[in-house]
Amino acid sequence: AQRVTQPEKLLSVFKGAPVELKCNYSYSGSPELFWYVQYSRQRLQLLLRHISRESIKGFTADLNKGETSFHLKKPFAQEEDSAMYYCAPLGAGSYQLTFGKGTKLSVIP
Amino acid sequence: EAQVTQNPRYLITVTGKKLTVTCSQNMNHEYMSWYRQDPGLGLRQIYYSMNVEVTDKGDVPEGYKVSRKEKRNFPLILESPSPNQTSLYFCATVAGVNNEQFFGPGTRLTVL
Repeated sequence: AQRVTQPEKLLSVFKGAPVELKCNYSYSGSPELFWYVQYSRQRLQLLLRHISRESIKGFTADLNKGETSFHLKKPFAQEEDSAMYYCAPLGAGSYQLTFGKGTKLSVIP
Repeated sequence: EAQVTQNPRYLITVTGKKLTVTCSQNMNHEYMSWYRQDPGLGLRQIYYSMNVEVTDKGDVPEGYKVSRKEKRNFPLILESPSPNQTSLYFCATVAGVNNEQFFGPGTRLTVL
């Protein structure tokens, strides 16, 4: 069965500290991996996708196929990074995202 | 401007009173989807539609109906709402080019 695990419900870090939000997936085939972010009282929006290999707002994510992980990282957290983050794999040839339960990141000033 | 709109944004209703939440997109996307978001459970897909007149169940379809009579609209229908359907609902479309999902602003529904 397709499964996404985000082990931390809540992650609190101090401003300027490094951040790592974990995501592990169990998926048949080779899924495409996404991170979505939801700022307070706003709609979800795409943060980054693994195949583009780009850095958005200082965040990066490396797909580790051996460990089936797609952890989201940022070297120096900012207060505006406080939000809910969702990891979401997409099966090949499909439009159906499977969302993890999300991690709430709180950056302490 | 490319956008997904939902109406209403907030709704308080009573058990058993039929309601419809509308979703509209102006991006000519074929794929549309409905999710509900609940604390600790993340987003769960209710229904999706690959194209006009093509709809299918997601992970939590019980108590919901949808229709797709035209490409731009994908209404979510609750024939007889119950308190366990109190939730935040999001409509989404997918850009076929890069598989990015575009979300609506959300509809917060409370069923008393």
